[in-house]
Amino acid sequence: GIQVEQSPPDLILQEGANSTLRCNFSDSVNNLQWFHQNPWGQLINLFYIPSGTKQNGRLSATTVATERYSLLYISSSQTTDSGVYFCAAHSGGGADGLTFGKGTHLIIQP
Amino acid sequence: NAGVMQNPRHLVRRRGQEARLRCSPMKGHSHVYWYRQLPEEGLKFMVYLQKENIIDESGMPKERFSAEFPKEGPSILRIQQVVRGDSAAYFCASSHQRQVNEQFFGPGTRLTVL
Repeated sequence: GIQVEQSPPDLILQEGANSTLRCNFSDSVNNLQWFHQNPWGQLINLFYIPSGTKQNGRLSATTVATERYSLLYISSSQTTDSGVYFCAAHSGGGADGLTFGKGTHLIIQP
Repeated sequence: NAGVMQNPRHLVRRRGQEARLRCSPMKGHSHVYWYRQLPEEGLKFMVYLQKENIIDESGMPKERFSAEFPKEGPSILRIQQVVRGDSAAYFCASSHQRQVNEQFFGPGTRLTVL
C-alpha cells in the first residue's frame, strides 16, 4: 500500500512565526487530506487537496501530485495552532481507508 | 448541519467485557470508515462500510472485532472480550462517495480497558 511520510516530526516556534510542513507519499493519489488534531484529540479537517493549491485564512496547502508531495503552510502562528498535524492519503489500489503519516507535533510558544 | 456523531465519547471496560462504539455519519453520507489511534502506532484504518455491507475490513483484527452498518441506525464497532491492548481512541469518518471524496471525522471514542 501507499506510504506517507511527514517532516519534521517536531517543531517549536514562537508566536507570529511562519512554518512549512511536508508530506511525501509513495504512489499517485486520488485523495489527500490535511488534519489538525487539537489538544482534546479531535481531528479537524484542514484541506482536501489531491492536487493544486488552496488557502483558508492563515493556512494554505499545495500538492504537487507528479512529484508526490504536499506542503502545509501556516503563517503568523498563534498558540491555538499547537497540536499534531496529519497528512493522509489514498491511492487507487490497496485498502479503502486513508493511510496516515506519523504527524508533525507543532508547539507555538507565546 | 450536524457533523459525524460518535458515542460514547469515553468508555471504560474491564478485561473480558464487550465494548460497543456507535457512529452516525454526516447527513447525506452513506460511506463509513473506522480508524484506531494507538499511542505507538498512529492512526490506522480498520474497516469501510456502506449501508448493510462491509466493503473492506483489511485493517480489522481477525478476532473479537466486528462492525456493522444497518439499514436503519448508526454504524457499530463491536469489540468482544476486551483486553488492555484495545485501549485506544476509535474514530469514525464518513464520506459522500467512495475513496475519492473528502472524509469527515467524528470526535472519537476513547476506550480504556482496566
